Amino acid sequence: DTEVTQTPKHLVMGMTNKKSLKCEQHMGHRAMYWYKQKAKKPPELMFVYSYEKLSINESVPSRFSPECPNSSLLNLHLHALQPEDSALYLCASSQGWGGEETQYFGPGTRLLVL
Amino acid sequence: AQKVTQAQTEISVVEKEDVTLDCVYETRDTTYYLFWYKQPPSGELVFLIRRNSFDEQNEISGRYSWNFQKSTSSFNFTITASQVVDSAVYFCALSEAGGSEKLVFGKGTKLTVNP
Repeated sequence: DTEVTQTPKHLVMGMTNKKSLKCEQHMGHRAMYWYKQKAKKPPELMFVYSYEKLSINESVPSRFSPECPNSSLLNLHLHALQPEDSALYLCASSQGWGGEETQYFGPGTRLLVL
Repeated sequence: AQKVTQAQTEISVVEKEDVTLDCVYETRDTTYYLFWYKQPPSGELVFLIRRNSFDEQNEISGRYSWNFQKSTSSFNFTITASQVVDSAVYFCALSEAGGSEKLVFGKGTKLTVNP
C-alpha cells in the first residue's frame, strides 16, 4: 500500500483567513514533504521533515508554517496568504530521507486565495 | 548542479500509436537515481519507475518501457499502443546520493492520446 491522503481536496480562502492542510500516511515512512505546484510547472519543494524534524525549508515565506505532530501526520498551516499562493499543494512521503528514496505523492489540495 | 531536460512540451498521438518521451539529465555525481512520474488531470503524481545509475538494464512493464543510456545521459520512456487513459503530464526526475538529495524535476511533457 503506497497511499498518501490529503485533506481537503479543495480550499478557497481569503487573505485574512487561517486554514490548515493535512497529510497522512500509514506506510511507516519517516520522511514527509510539502511541494507547491503552479499550473503547467513541475512541483517545487517547500519543506522536508525527516524523523519528525524539519530538515529542509526552501526559504518559504513565514505565512506557510509546517508541523509534524507524529511520524504519520504532516500539516501545513496557512495564514495571510496572497493570491499568488494559489496552487496545488502536494504532500509526499518516503521510507527515509536520501537521494535513493522513492517519494510517493498524495492527490493534492487545490488552493485558491481570493 | 543537477538538471533534467524534457524538451517535448506537448505531444499528441492517436490511440494505439507508440510514443516516446525524452529525458536528458545532468549530474556530477557518480551515484544518482532517475524517476518517472505520471500526473493525470486529477493532480496526483503517480510513481512509475526508479533507476539507479549502476543499473543500465532496460525495463519493461506492460505497455511501458524505459531506455536508460548513461553514454547520452538519457532516460527515455516509451508507451506502446497508447490509450486514452495514458493522457497525462509525465515528469522525469533526478536525485543524487551525495549531493543535495532533493528530487529535481524536468518541466514535464503533456501527452494527449486522442481516440
